[in-house]
Amino acid sequence: QQQVKQSPQSLIVQKGGISIINCAYENTAFDYFPWYQQFPGKGPALLIAIRPDVSEKKEGRFTISFNKSAKQFSLHIMDSQPGDSATYFCAAINTGNQFYFGTGTSLTVIP
Amino acid sequence: DVKVTQSSRYLVKRTGEKVFLECVQDMDHENMFWYRQDPGLGLRLIYFSYDVKMKEKGDIPEGYSVSREKKERFSLILESASTNQTSMYLCASSFVLWSNYGYTFGSGTRLTVV
Repeated sequence: QQQVKQSPQSLIVQKGGISIINCAYENTAFDYFPWYQQFPGKGPALLIAIRPDVSEKKEGRFTISFNKSAKQFSLHIMDSQPGDSATYFCAAINTGNQFYFGTGTSLTVIP
Repeated sequence: DVKVTQSSRYLVKRTGEKVFLECVQDMDHENMFWYRQDPGLGLRLIYFSYDVKMKEKGDIPEGYSVSREKKERFSLILESASTNQTSMYLCASSFVLWSNYGYTFGSGTRLTVV
């Protein structure tokens, strides 16, 4: 049973456009929601994260939107660049107990 | 910077072989993890270890075992490799178990079983 559902599986965006990746969860015990970025040939690396007491977090061109009542969170990449082409994983953590990853989204930004 | 080093980038093994995947971390982390990554399935936890000689099964431990004789080293063992174990294997380590703090991945080992 997938604890964290992620969509879409793949995404193609024009340079300068907005990339949006969505995740949903069921377990209300999750208390931390990170996003990881993985370039080909590399392991995933932490990109940005949010706690459920905040509805939005922004770091540069990357923004997490969090909807606690809907149990959904999403990653928005503004002004997408070819260098953003990578696989993105959302995750949900119940600190001290559980850590689950989404299934990943392969993002391609075309020039 | 914390480094998690996986000894092999690519491996090709034959069905039935015993396979060892090695992982070393240099940050004195208590916790180490093995994941496999498959398209459409994301990262699935195979085994983890929270101390030397301690190990716990993850979500998909069947067909795998692990060894942690030293704090910095965590080995994944495929006792008898099968083609359905062809995958990308990722090692990770962390300061705190099940916390985002200091959770660092290696670059992965792509294993092909023929």
